[in-house]
Amino acid sequence: AQSVAQPEDQVNVAEGNPLTVKCTYSVSGNPYLFWYVQYPNRGLQFLLKYITGDNLVKGSYGFEAEFNKSQTSFHLKKPSALVSDSALYFCAVRDPAFSGSARQLTFGSGTQLTVLP
Amino acid sequence: DSGVTQTPKHLITATGQRVTLRCSPRSGDLSVYWYQQSLDQGLQFLIQYYNGEERAKGNILERFSAQQFPDLHSELNLSSLELGDSALYFCASSVGQETGNTIYFGEGSWLTVV
Repeated sequence: AQSVAQPEDQVNVAEGNPLTVKCTYSVSGNPYLFWYVQYPNRGLQFLLKYITGDNLVKGSYGFEAEFNKSQTSFHLKKPSALVSDSALYFCAVRDPAFSGSARQLTFGSGTQLTVLP
Repeated sequence: DSGVTQTPKHLITATGQRVTLRCSPRSGDLSVYWYQQSLDQGLQFLIQYYNGEERAKGNILERFSAQQFPDLHSELNLSSLELGDSALYFCASSVGQETGNTIYFGEGSWLTVV
């Protein structure tokens, strides 16, 4: 079965510094990987996804993520953090090798990012 | 704004009661998904519909049911509610069923069971 791990519950970074939110995955085949962000009292907003192709994926609000097959990782990055980036970030995976409920989006536990002014 | 609309945004109800959550997918999207977010379970997939037909079922309790109507809106029915059903329920939609399709989420319906 597919799974996602976000090893850090909390990440703190100073405004203007680069940020990284870590994600590792486990699938039987080639993964489809996604990042979502949840602001307080808001829904999940799609940031970016990796399906195939270039390992560096660019998304919304200046975020990017790098797919690393050998390390089974898909870390979210941003060169310069903003206070407004403070939110809960979720990594998710889908495994196209399966069908039905087994191929649905499986989410990590989330990482709370706090950008300090 | 993702384009996925959920109502109501908040509701409080008593144990044993029944509620219906409503979802309108993004224009043109045929797939609708329901997810539950709780502190102890995280984000859990409940059920998926595609063009009116059930396509996948996840960790959905027998007390819960859903359907997708011909106009593609969907409803999630929760009955015999228990305190543990208190959670944020998300509806999401995608254009099709392909695994690579982006799934867009609504803002959720906060359910509190007292």
